[in-house]
Amino acid sequence: DAGVIQSPRHEVTEMGQEVTLRCKPISGHDYLFWYRQTMMRGLELLIYFNNNVPIDDSGMPEDRFSAKMPNASFSTLKIQPSEPRDSAVYFCASTFYSATNEKLFFGSGTQLSVL
Amino acid sequence: GEDVEQSLFLSVREGDSSVINCTYTDSSSTYLYWYKQEPGAGLQLLTYIFSNMDMKQDQRLTVLLNKKDKHLSLRIADTQTGDSAIYFCAERLNTGTASKLTFGTGTRLQVTL
Repeated sequence: DAGVIQSPRHEVTEMGQEVTLRCKPISGHDYLFWYRQTMMRGLELLIYFNNNVPIDDSGMPEDRFSAKMPNASFSTLKIQPSEPRDSAVYFCASTFYSATNEKLFFGSGTQLSVL
Repeated sequence: GEDVEQSLFLSVREGDSSVINCTYTDSSSTYLYWYKQEPGAGLQLLTYIFSNMDMKQDQRLTVLLNKKDKHLSLRIADTQTGDSAIYFCAERLNTGTASKLTFGTGTRLQVTL
């Protein structure tokens, strides 16, 4: 398996533009997570899905952020309109739930710069 | 509440042991994890410990858990330059469902020659 695949690796955009980040989880995983990493706030959980259904979106900063998971192999995180304070590295992670333990597998991240 | 704290930076010499510390506040945590992040990459799971254990050893890695003090540590023996990275501890709460991990702030380990 190729692991969790995110695209693009880097995104530079201007304030006010729409940004869409994409993620392909590991096949067979039933949970998908979106995290944001900044120097100031560290790693923050934005939202996570179970079997394509959003379970907890309490970490989504505001209405400008939205996430979808139309099927088991694809998820998007959209920011509209984008602002400079959204600049961060966005990670997608997936896992297969286990009552005894589970391990999160992370993608390589999307480095977003909003000018 | 959920709050995981780590020191921000640690510098060690190659060949020495590194000890990275972490404190957490939620006593209902079931599993505690150590993840490693290399530059430009996502986090990778290094090791984990179940909350009813005190210690776990995995090759050069030793995890110690003090539940009374809510303190977790990661010891890396014979630290190598390839160990230079950011290390995150994370706790999983006993939510009864799948992992909602809370990550610490990360400790940047610098290995010098």
